[in-house]
Amino acid sequence: DAKTTQPPSMDCAEGRAANLPCNHSTISGNEYVYWYRQIHSQGPQYIIHGLKNNETNEMASLIITEDRKSSTLILPHATLRDTAVYYCIVRKEYGNKLVFGAGTILRVKS
Amino acid sequence: NAGVTQTPKFQVLKTGQSMTLQCAQDMNHNSMYWYRQDPGMGLRLIYYSASEGTTDKGEVPNGYNVSRLNKREFSLRLESAAPSQTSVYFCASSELLRLLTDTQYFGPGTRLTVL
Repeated sequence: DAKTTQPPSMDCAEGRAANLPCNHSTISGNEYVYWYRQIHSQGPQYIIHGLKNNETNEMASLIITEDRKSSTLILPHATLRDTAVYYCIVRKEYGNKLVFGAGTILRVKS
Repeated sequence: NAGVTQTPKFQVLKTGQSMTLQCAQDMNHNSMYWYRQDPGMGLRLIYYSASEGTTDKGEVPNGYNVSRLNKREFSLRLESAAPSQTSVYFCASSELLRLLTDTQYFGPGTRLTVL
């Protein structure tokens, strides 16, 4: 699987958009980008995934660059409850397991 | 739906003791997983079961065994616990590992301390 690089931590003001970057410069054509998050002491939670088009759901938006070497997870109106570790994972489409890196600690501040 | 449940929530063992961590899911998922998470680190896959009747090693299988008891239940056994196995253990399930867009759902975790 392609390796991902994320900043170790970020801060965001409550009510503002949180933009979390992820680099995956060695991604190959059949690999998806997944985002999970882990709120303190809980199990990870699925957020969103995509292949090459931008995606949006009730939780977040995922913007993938045209060359697919990087992506950005956007939480449009961050709340204190969004404080968590966010994991960017690149995964092949079939039969492949999730590999979690260290992730980005997002701190939402009032 | 309870989703993915794990028992116990907390456990303290002495070195050399054995124990089994239980996991069950009620989402009719085919695939199940066991991860461990050490402080300040991401999750590492111990074992997984792509479908009922099959199990495979993950990234860190040494010191563990698993049993896929039926479609709902996937247990993790420590035969002789060591302090290096102190960790938080998460069970997860997904519809089918081979699916294009397989998404994993996680349990609340078991916090294990080995003295």
